[in-house]
Amino acid sequence: GENVEQHPSTLSVQEGDSAVIKCTYSDSASNYFPWYKQELGKRPQLIIDIRSNVGEKKDQRIAVTLNKTAKHFSLHITETQPEDSAVYFCAASPLGGYNKLIFGAGTRLAVHP
Amino acid sequence: SQTIHQWPATLVQPVGSPLSLECTVEGTSNPNLYWYRQAAGRGLQLLFYSVGIGQISSEVPQNLSASRPQDRQFILSSKKLLLSDSGFYLCAFGADSNQPQHFGDGTRLSIL
Repeated sequence: GENVEQHPSTLSVQEGDSAVIKCTYSDSASNYFPWYKQELGKRPQLIIDIRSNVGEKKDQRIAVTLNKTAKHFSLHITETQPEDSAVYFCAASPLGGYNKLIFGAGTRLAVHP
Repeated sequence: SQTIHQWPATLVQPVGSPLSLECTVEGTSNPNLYWYRQAAGRGLQLLFYSVGIGQISSEVPQNLSASRPQDRQFILSSKKLLLSDSGFYLCAFGADSNQPQHFGDGTRLSIL
């Protein structure tokens, strides 16, 4: 089955810097890759997603890139702000799997003023 | 608009007691429904998913079961809770298999 690895587990940046979180997946048939942000004690919230027919997607300060050949995808946050501090999860959805998601272990991002 | 409701928000139960967590969705018909568990400081593990009434798929062997008695209702149950069942339980829905998943507020379950 699908396996998703996420790095780094923790990331500390200064306000205004960029942050990059990377994930690799094992099932080449996976075709959908969302990213969720989870604040302490709260529900995960979808922040951006990408499908396998697209190489890059951007939404304001957030972008996701996908390399199908290498089976990895990355989240890029530019001009980080203290409110970006949270745990970020990547996930992959195997083709034909009714959109069930296999999650990475998460990255705790801390943005320091 | 589509919304998801999950309750209770917190629950403290003794070992060996039964469990019932409920999740309901509004604003969409025949959604895909999912139960995840999140251990403290860890990622989300898919427990069950359902693509229709009475259709339940289990992802991992465990002490829990799920049911979908109505189109927009998903229930997580146990007959006898174990200490290892503690965690943050999240219900999620997708309008269909091509739509993103959205999570409920979760239930924090502590087993004593």
